[in-house]
Amino acid sequence: GNSVTQMEGPVTLSEEAFLTINCTYTATGYPSLFWYVQYPGEGLQLLLKATKADDKGSNKGFEATYRKETTSFHLEKGSVQVSDSAVYFCALRANTPLVFGKGTRLSVIA
Amino acid sequence: NAGVTQTPKFQVLKTGQSMTLQCAQDMNHNSMYWYRQDPGMGLRLIYYSASEGTTDKGEVPNGYNVSRLNKREFSLRLESAAPSQTSVYFCASSGTGGLTNTGELFFGEGSRLTVL
Repeated sequence: GNSVTQMEGPVTLSEEAFLTINCTYTATGYPSLFWYVQYPGEGLQLLLKATKADDKGSNKGFEATYRKETTSFHLEKGSVQVSDSAVYFCALRANTPLVFGKGTRLSVIA
Repeated sequence: NAGVTQTPKFQVLKTGQSMTLQCAQDMNHNSMYWYRQDPGMGLRLIYYSASEGTTDKGEVPNGYNVSRLNKREFSLRLESAAPSQTSVYFCASSGTGGLTNTGELFFGEGSRLTVL
């Protein structure tokens, strides 16, 4: 079946540090890939997405590239801010409802 | 813009009690979903409705029932609550095109349920 594996957290970084959160997937067919973010006390909201191989999704300084050869969709940001502290979820959709990874909690300290 | 609205936001139940979580969306979306979020488990799909008049089981449907009342509303019912159902529940919706569209899910703010 379809599944998503993302790095376990929590991840703690200093402000302006480089962020990578790894995500790999298993899917039949050609999935669309997503990163969602959940700020404290809120629901999830879409951060970025990519719908086909080699697509790069980007938003708010975050980027992720759909790599079919490595079945990966790693999230990166060059310089994190305190306001980026949240839980990040990788997800895929392949002819089924969205399947989520377990989430990675990011804490950014000033 | 209201988006996806869930009620109640908080609820405490005793084992064996029943309750219904309500969800409504104002975006004219076809598909609606109920997820539960537990520490270390991410989000797991309970039930979904690809379109008005249809419902399907997700990954963890046991102990729950759903009703797609109309295009706007999708409710989740716990007939006899158990402590294992203590969780945060999220309702979500997505746009036209059914399950295979690549559109995003829009989430409500969540309902925190505690079963004693």
